[in-house]
Amino acid sequence: GQQVMQIPQYQHVQEGEDFTTYCNSSTTLSNIQWYKQRPGGHPVFLIQLVKSGEVKKQKRLTFQFGEAKKNSSLHITATQTTDVGTYFCREYNFNKFYFGSGTKLNVKP
Amino acid sequence: DARVTQTPRHKVTEMGQEVTMRCQPILGHNTVFWYRQTMMQGLELLAYFRNRAPLDDSGMPKDRFSAEMPDATLATLKIQPSEPRDSAVYFCASGPSGEKLFFGSGTQLSVL
Repeated sequence: GQQVMQIPQYQHVQEGEDFTTYCNSSTTLSNIQWYKQRPGGHPVFLIQLVKSGEVKKQKRLTFQFGEAKKNSSLHITATQTTDVGTYFCREYNFNKFYFGSGTKLNVKP
Repeated sequence: DARVTQTPRHKVTEMGQEVTMRCQPILGHNTVFWYRQTMMQGLELLAYFRNRAPLDDSGMPKDRFSAEMPDATLATLKIQPSEPRDSAVYFCASGPSGEKLFFGSGTQLSVL
């Protein structure tokens, strides 16, 4: 079964506000990936984090991997309506892959 | 651009009928995944292949579902007999390893 917890389940923000979603695991992870799924679309790979404490940026998106490799976050600065969608983390551990339950982001213009 | 191709895009069928979904992974990718997505359950892993060998199908109901890779260019997911609770979007995804996945557009299945 699923081992990665993702919060929050939903987030409604005003355009221009920041947004953060978190993934937490009960075990130390080998690596973690982040995906974005637009409404009616399919998940699209955003990034993979491998190293303890790793921080990666993609324009307004900042991805972090915890020092203990048990948690990760995705932060969006100054959201735009194009950020609307569901963001999933996906962990790889013990030869198994698990998707988080996703955080659905709605951005009001 | 290389992409994962899934057919059909939409399928409406009656309970008890057989459903076959097909996937053409990206050439050169050696991992193939089948996921089912519903509002309630999120993305559920049904089957995972590496080099065409099944590595994990623990999430798949064995009595009615089967997944195969007859060759490197084709993965299939079959449901027989189908039930209304199987209604969902079924995604195929492939990758050069198990981590970075490229998803197909999915098959929207409705079982009446």
